[in-house]
Amino acid sequence: DGGITQSPKYLFRKEGQNVTLSCEQNLNHDAMYWYRQDPGQGLRLIYYSQIVNDFQKGDIAEGYSVSREKKESFPLTVTSAQKNPTAFYLCASSIDRSLNYGYTFGSGTRLTVV
Amino acid sequence: AQSVAQPEDQVNVAEGNPLTVKCTYSVSGNPYLFWYVQYPNRGLQFLLKYITGDNLVKGSYGFEAEFNKSQTSFHLKKPSALVSDSALYFCAVRDAGSARQLTFGSGTQLTVLP
Repeated sequence: DGGITQSPKYLFRKEGQNVTLSCEQNLNHDAMYWYRQDPGQGLRLIYYSQIVNDFQKGDIAEGYSVSREKKESFPLTVTSAQKNPTAFYLCASSIDRSLNYGYTFGSGTRLTVV
Repeated sequence: AQSVAQPEDQVNVAEGNPLTVKCTYSVSGNPYLFWYVQYPNRGLQFLLKYITGDNLVKGSYGFEAEFNKSQTSFHLKKPSALVSDSALYFCAVRDAGSARQLTFGSGTQLTVLP
């Protein structure tokens, strides 16, 4: 089945540690996105990429980094500079930049700082 | 800039009654509008969209939404609610003239009471 796979489902991070969240899609979609979800705040855009080897900062990019070396993969690294990383992270993709079809979402990764 | 507002954090409705989840938007150009649903600890699932054409849009699971340009609204409706409709609902918008990503509202928790 085609879709977006996020792993792991749950992730625990110690203070000062970098962690990487995986996002892989087999939909042949051009564009990929990372959102952060906090209760009562909806979804906030972290980074997005519309083409391989190119990505753009979203509204809350500080403390995060991404790469887009392959069309299928868009990993997100949460660095130690991110002061409040506990949240639910959602990866999404769209067939192209027109967004006529909206997004397809992964199942999310819940990150907790311990 | 594009923005979307969901004025109600929580909507409660009795099973079998009609439901409405409200959404208003702000864009400078033409809007692309979407509704998504989220079940606990899951990604968002697409319900319906308005790009152009008829103001009344029909989507998955019996949901529909009405685009009202003069009131800049895109309310989600269903004639007869089911307990299984209980979930978190998000409205999203894209300014067709300028934006490269969707902006989401803060979400509305719908609870259908048996």
